Amino acid sequence: GAVVSQHPSRVICKSGTSVKIECRSLDFQATTMFWYRQFPKQSLMLMATSNEGSKATYEQGVEKDKFLINHASLTLSTLTVTSAHPEDSSFYICSAPSGINEQFFGPGTRLTVL
Amino acid sequence: AQSVAQPEDQVNVAEGNPLTVKCTYSVSGNPYLFWYVQYPNRGLQFLLKYITGDNLVKGSYGFEAEFNKSQTSFHLKKPSALVSDSALYFCAVRGLNFGNEKLTFGTGTRLTIIP
Repeated sequence: GAVVSQHPSRVICKSGTSVKIECRSLDFQATTMFWYRQFPKQSLMLMATSNEGSKATYEQGVEKDKFLINHASLTLSTLTVTSAHPEDSSFYICSAPSGINEQFFGPGTRLTVL
Repeated sequence: AQSVAQPEDQVNVAEGNPLTVKCTYSVSGNPYLFWYVQYPNRGLQFLLKYITGDNLVKGSYGFEAEFNKSQTSFHLKKPSALVSDSALYFCAVRGLNFGNEKLTFGTGTRLTIIP
């Protein structure tokens, strides 16, 4: 199956700094990628849809200025958590659809903000 | 709007026994249904999907799921549980509208297989 990678897998940062997370489709092109956030013992919450060549579409309640998304190419989307605070600590997962039937998920990035 | 319900937060099964993880859904029209498994600090791994055709779908690691349209259910099953099946399982649904690839996930069910 298709492979999606994320980098870094784990990041610890100080409050007020910005953190960039990369999501790459390794063996297929993705005009769309999805960013999810997962709190401990909870489900995945869709944050935004990343669109190659255009602006991301954010879900209700997600601050677009806080979570900057850039879909620079057909294989790369980045999520930047700006001015991170401890409440932003979470597990961030990206996914990319391949065909119309499946999505392939990255391994996730654990963000800890001190 | 589409939604998924996983009524059980936790399911415990003895090794070797059959297991069932429940899922019901709500979506306009016919659904695409998925099961994913998540191990600690890992992303989601695809188990199986229902798009059309036979109501009984077979997937990875010996898992299967039965689509029941009248009950709007898609329960995950395995005839004989292994300790290695212990993980967090998510059911997900999306509509058939082309271009609408958003998945809606259930809240997850933690499956524990007891040796």
